Amino acid sequence: SAVISQKPSRDICQRGTSLTIQCQVDSQVTMMFWYRQQPGQSLTLIATANQGSEATYESGFVIDKFPISRPNLTFSTLTVSNMSPEDSSIYLCSGDRVRGDTQYFGPGTRLTVL
Amino acid sequence: KQEVTQIPAALSVPEGENLVLNCSFTDSAIYNLQWFRQDPGKGLTSLLLIQSSQREQTSGRLNASLDKSSGRSTLYIAASQPGDSATYLCAVRRVTSGTYKYIFGTGTRLKVLA
Repeated sequence: SAVISQKPSRDICQRGTSLTIQCQVDSQVTMMFWYRQQPGQSLTLIATANQGSEATYESGFVIDKFPISRPNLTFSTLTVSNMSPEDSSIYLCSGDRVRGDTQYFGPGTRLTVL
Repeated sequence: KQEVTQIPAALSVPEGENLVLNCSFTDSAIYNLQWFRQDPGKGLTSLLLIQSSQREQTSGRLNASLDKSSGRSTLYIAASQPGDSATYLCAVRRVTSGTYKYIFGTGTRLKVLA
């Protein structure tokens, strides 16, 4: 299995500021994914992060708003830029060690934007 | 476009009951299907992974089946316990070349009463 940690676990931010969320895995993973989960809702994929290449964004999500880095096989960051209250959500990262294998999730980052 | 639906949305049962959670997907061209549980305020924990060539997987009191042709999967929980109370999510991996991704279902909130 893989253990994934996220930092911060929660934050309260002001409108117009940016927050970078870190995702650290205890072993190498092939692909990493970033999701958003609104209260009481399921997960929506923001983007897929492959090491050494630009992230692939889903419809409705753009790089200027959610820049992602993947410098190596165990680490990724997601930045939520120019935040508004609509960005208040839980952000989750995940990864799988073998292409198409079990997905492992971090505990999530609960973001509140005032 | 792949859509994943889970029925029921919420379920409340007395302890000891056997229960079935349902997951339906619109595009049968999947690579695998995974069942997760999510406890309130936490990340997701993988329960079972079924490859597209498999019909079922078992782990303890859990049994998941997959019928690709009809676009359905079921998660069977035997002898339910209060500790099983959580939200259960299914996710399908789309068959693609290059980058792959998972589409999550709408979730079933389960409450097992002592």
